[in-house]
Amino acid sequence: EDQVTQSPEALRLQEGESSSLNCSYTVSGLRGLFWYRQDPGKGPEFLFTLYSAGEEKEKERLKATLTKKESFLHITAPKPEDSATYLCAFSGGSNYKLTFGKGTLLTVNP
Amino acid sequence: NAGVTQTPKFQVLKTGQSMTLQCAQDMNHEYMSWYRQDPGMGLRLIHYSVGAGITDQGEVPNGYNVSRSTTEDFPLRLLSAAPSQTSVYFCASSKTGMEGQPQHFGDGTRLSIL
Repeated sequence: EDQVTQSPEALRLQEGESSSLNCSYTVSGLRGLFWYRQDPGKGPEFLFTLYSAGEEKEKERLKATLTKKESFLHITAPKPEDSATYLCAFSGGSNYKLTFGKGTLLTVNP
Repeated sequence: NAGVTQTPKFQVLKTGQSMTLQCAQDMNHEYMSWYRQDPGMGLRLIHYSVGAGITDQGEVPNGYNVSRSTTEDFPLRLLSAAPSQTSVYFCASSKTGMEGQPQHFGDGTRLSIL
């Protein structure tokens, strides 16, 4: 069965303290692994798509990486404005469905 | 640059009432979908459409109805609201549903069923 697990559920960092969020997935025929950011009261905002193991993408303080079983979202020197829930999702196989994890709530304290 | 627009933003219904959640996109996307988001659970797919006139069920379709008469609009209908349908509903769209293309989300409709 296709599934995705995100860890930790919540992470509290001090400003400037780098860390990583994990997304473990099981799917046959990965079409894309997606990272989204969601702020309170808002819809998910697209960050990255990764398509194959070994791929990396960067945007400001965020870097996403992909292996055959996991994806990591690395946050370097975070700022309070990086506080949000980060969602991982994948599409795969022959269907159009996006399967989402439950998310990691990141809080960055000044 | 509107993107995906959802209306209303908030709604309170009584059990048994019906209503339609509106979703419109201005990006000429073929694929549109509806999700619900509940505390402690990931986003779950309700229904989706790969183009005008074509819809299909997602993971949690019971109690919901959809149609797609135009490329731009994809309304979600609750036929007889139940308290279990209290949730935040998100509409999303992408250019096509395949090739691993990202979906772009609206800001949601927060629905309470009393």
